[in-house]
Amino acid sequence: KAGVTQTPRYLIKTRGQQVTLSCSPISGHRSVSWYQQTPGQGLQFLFEYFSETQRNKGNFPGRFSGRQFSNSRSEMNVSTLELGDSALYLCASSNAGFDSPLHFGNGTRLTVT
Amino acid sequence: GESVGLHLPTLSVQEGDNSIINCAYSNSASDYFIWYKQESGKGPQFIIDIRSNMDKRQGQRVTVLLNKTVKHLSLQIAATQPGDSAVYFCAEKKGMDSSYKLIFGSGTRLLVRP
Repeated sequence: KAGVTQTPRYLIKTRGQQVTLSCSPISGHRSVSWYQQTPGQGLQFLFEYFSETQRNKGNFPGRFSGRQFSNSRSEMNVSTLELGDSALYLCASSNAGFDSPLHFGNGTRLTVT
Repeated sequence: GESVGLHLPTLSVQEGDNSIINCAYSNSASDYFIWYKQESGKGPQFIIDIRSNMDKRQGQRVTVLLNKTVKHLSLQIAATQPGDSAVYFCAEKKGMDSSYKLIFGSGTRLLVRP
């Protein structure tokens, strides 16, 4: 079974631009979560989607948004990029069971200059 | 803010020895915990999980111990190998049912000396 796939692997953007990251979950997984990883803050929860609905959201500004499609694929968008948005963005999927661990992709490395 | 674990220490062990990685969590109501391994350039990889109604769970070469009294979690790796070198994170589930978010510790770097 293929793992979580994230595209692109690397992105370089300029301050003020926007970016869209894509995630394909493990087949059959309906829950998709996004995390931001930085050296200073570690792994921080962004949001979680299930059946195209956002069920949970972390403490990030409204510039960070996401969505999920009917095939469970998900995208996240960051508008008006700031230097501090440079990070590894990780997508994870689960089968949404009570004791279901998250399975992560290898992330998208975003650099904002 | 919320936190599981406070530091990013480094644990250096000799190949073949056992490794013990520790983690403190903050929410006594948490009911599910997970250990992840992250190698350079990759996302976190699931290792083992444990529910709060258990004290111990074993996998292949790994054991997780949960002490709810002192809110402490540990990961034991038997016969540590060079391929075990990575950053290890504990994570605590926060939320109801399947709609949850994970609160991650800051991680421990494991270095295996040949």
